[in-house]
Amino acid sequence: KAGVTQTPRYLIKTRGQQVTLSCSPISGHRSVSWYQQTPGQGLQFLFEYFSETQRNKGNFPGRFSGRQFSNSRSEMNVSTLELGDSALYLCASSPGQGTLATEAFFGQGTRLTVV
Amino acid sequence: AQSVAQPEDQVNVAEGNPLTVKCTYSVSGNPYLFWYVQYPNRGLQFLLKYITGDNLVKGSYGFEAEFNKSQTSFHLKKPSALVSDSALYFCAVRDENQGGKLIFGQGTELSVKP
Repeated sequence: KAGVTQTPRYLIKTRGQQVTLSCSPISGHRSVSWYQQTPGQGLQFLFEYFSETQRNKGNFPGRFSGRQFSNSRSEMNVSTLELGDSALYLCASSPGQGTLATEAFFGQGTRLTVV
Repeated sequence: AQSVAQPEDQVNVAEGNPLTVKCTYSVSGNPYLFWYVQYPNRGLQFLLKYITGDNLVKGSYGFEAEFNKSQTSFHLKKPSALVSDSALYFCAVRDENQGGKLIFGQGTELSVKP
């Protein structure tokens, strides 16, 4: 069974630009969550999607958005990039409803560098 | 508010010695606790979880963790450390009132020397 796939692995963008990151969850998983990892703030929850609906949202500005498609693939978008958005963005997939007890499976992440 | 604390930024252990990585948590409902490991330039790998039942849970690669409800702790342990265990370890909690959201500790860098 293939794991969680994130593309691209690395990105370099300029301040003010926008970026879209992609995540393909494990086959059959319907829940996708996104996390931002930085040395200063650690791992922070961005949002969670289930069946194309945002189920939960972290404390990030509106420049951060996401969506989920009918095949459970998810994208996150960051507009008007700032230097502080440089981070490793991790996607995690879970089977779906009633997943409190189920571990999340993480992709390898997309390393975004804003210059 | 829900939170997870890993009080040690770094833990140094000699190969063959037991290791402990500490974690305490605070949630409003029943806790669902997890340990993950991260190797350089990689995502997070699941090690083990506590949901209910036995306070000592066993996981991957010989790791285990002890849940202590009165101390709100979930410390990760291994009887005999390997150099290959050197990595960044994260404790995480799910609150039953917060859906699938994972709240992570700041991480503990484990260094195992030969």
